[in-house]
Amino acid sequence: DADVTQTPRNRITKTGKRIMLECSQTKGHDRMYWYRQDPGLGLQLIYYSFDVKDINKGEISDGYSVSRQAQAKFSLSLESAIPNQTALYFCATSDFRGNGYTFGSGTRLTVV
Amino acid sequence: AQSVTQLDSHVSVSEGTPVLLRCNYSSSYSPSLFWYVQHPNKGLQLLLKYTSAATLVKGINGFEAEFKKSETSFHLTKPSAHMSDAAEYFCVVSPSSNDYKLSFGAGTTVTVRA
Repeated sequence: DADVTQTPRNRITKTGKRIMLECSQTKGHDRMYWYRQDPGLGLQLIYYSFDVKDINKGEISDGYSVSRQAQAKFSLSLESAIPNQTALYFCATSDFRGNGYTFGSGTRLTVV
Repeated sequence: AQSVTQLDSHVSVSEGTPVLLRCNYSSSYSPSLFWYVQHPNKGLQLLLKYTSAATLVKGINGFEAEFKKSETSFHLTKPSAHMSDAAEYFCVVSPSSNDYKLSFGAGTTVTVRA
């Protein structure tokens, strides 16, 4: 099994719908992150969490929310999806030293 | 503040020839620097990292990178490209070895010609 698992792998949704992307990890890392990848822009940080009770906004958090259900689970929600949220979304984990970033395989989200 | 500039959006090489991917960074601190590779429909895989030890860093799959503080560069090289090296490569900077704030370059797409 992968160290960081994202579900679903692909999703098409309609404008205005609520959608949740899920991430689970077996690395035992405390830190978890959600990134968004757009062509030509690299990855941008949406939200990050240092532990279950510590959640922080990243560079582009507007229109997104997150939930850290357990040390191993970190979900990203789009409350009302819009077309410019069409992107590839990555979950990642790291240890407290900032080492060992591990990325999931990504969720490709299309909002029509 | 920190930022990363990958100087080439696309690099095309022939199989067996050297690969050079250029990366310049700016950082107010002594940064940690990384190169990640992303194959099609895959997640990001760490190639190598620099964290203030040796300036020449060796990574997986024959890649290496040299940290040059005076030039604020961290270029990635491989002596002989293989078809399997076709992928997108990201240069990434973190302000220090214990900081979560990764800044990603825009990426360089590598194509390898037979």
